[in-house]
Amino acid sequence: AQSVSQHNHHVILSEAASLELGCNYSYGGTVNLFWYVQYPGQHLQLLLKYFSGDPLVKGIKGFEAEFIKSKFSFNLRKPSVQWSDTAEYFCAVNTNAGKSTFGDGTTLTVKP
Amino acid sequence: ETGVTQTPRHLVMGMTNKKSLKCEQHLGHNAMYWYKQSAKKPLELMFVYNFKEQTENNSVPSRFSPECPNSSHLFLHLHTLQPEDSALYLCASSQSPGQEGSHTEAFFGQGTRLTVV
Repeated sequence: AQSVSQHNHHVILSEAASLELGCNYSYGGTVNLFWYVQYPGQHLQLLLKYFSGDPLVKGIKGFEAEFIKSKFSFNLRKPSVQWSDTAEYFCAVNTNAGKSTFGDGTTLTVKP
Repeated sequence: ETGVTQTPRHLVMGMTNKKSLKCEQHLGHNAMYWYKQSAKKPLELMFVYNFKEQTENNSVPSRFSPECPNSSHLFLHLHTLQPEDSALYLCASSQSPGQEGSHTEAFFGQGTRLTVV
């Protein structure tokens, strides 16, 4: 069965600090990878996605993620966070069979 | 707005009540999903419908009963719930998995915050 592991449950940073959130998955076949973000009081929305091609994908608001197939990882990065990035971040994996699995989520708090 | 609308946004119900959650999408998707989001727990996939047919039921108790009358609407009928069922229930839709060129990105509604008393 596929699974997704997010290593950090709660991350606290100051503004302008760099961010890296870890995500590892277990599945032997072809996967589509996603990062979703949920701002306080808002719906889950897509931050970025990877299907194929360049393993470094860029998303909205300056976020990027790198797919490293050999490590089964899809870590999310941002060079300089802002207070408005305070949110919960979910890594998700979809297989071609359509089964989607989410990680536990990481709560990011950015202190102004 | 994501194109996925859920009603009601908040619901408080007693354990003997029967209520329904509604989800509607206008994105032309053929797959719809119910998720449960509880505090300190990962997002749990409950049901998957693909072209109105249920394709996945993740061992959800029978007190939750989904209904998908067409590709745009999805319901979750609730009866005799328990306090531990209190959570945020999220609906999502996507292109059907497996369709050529589909990206299977999910679009989520804002959820229904359910409290069982």
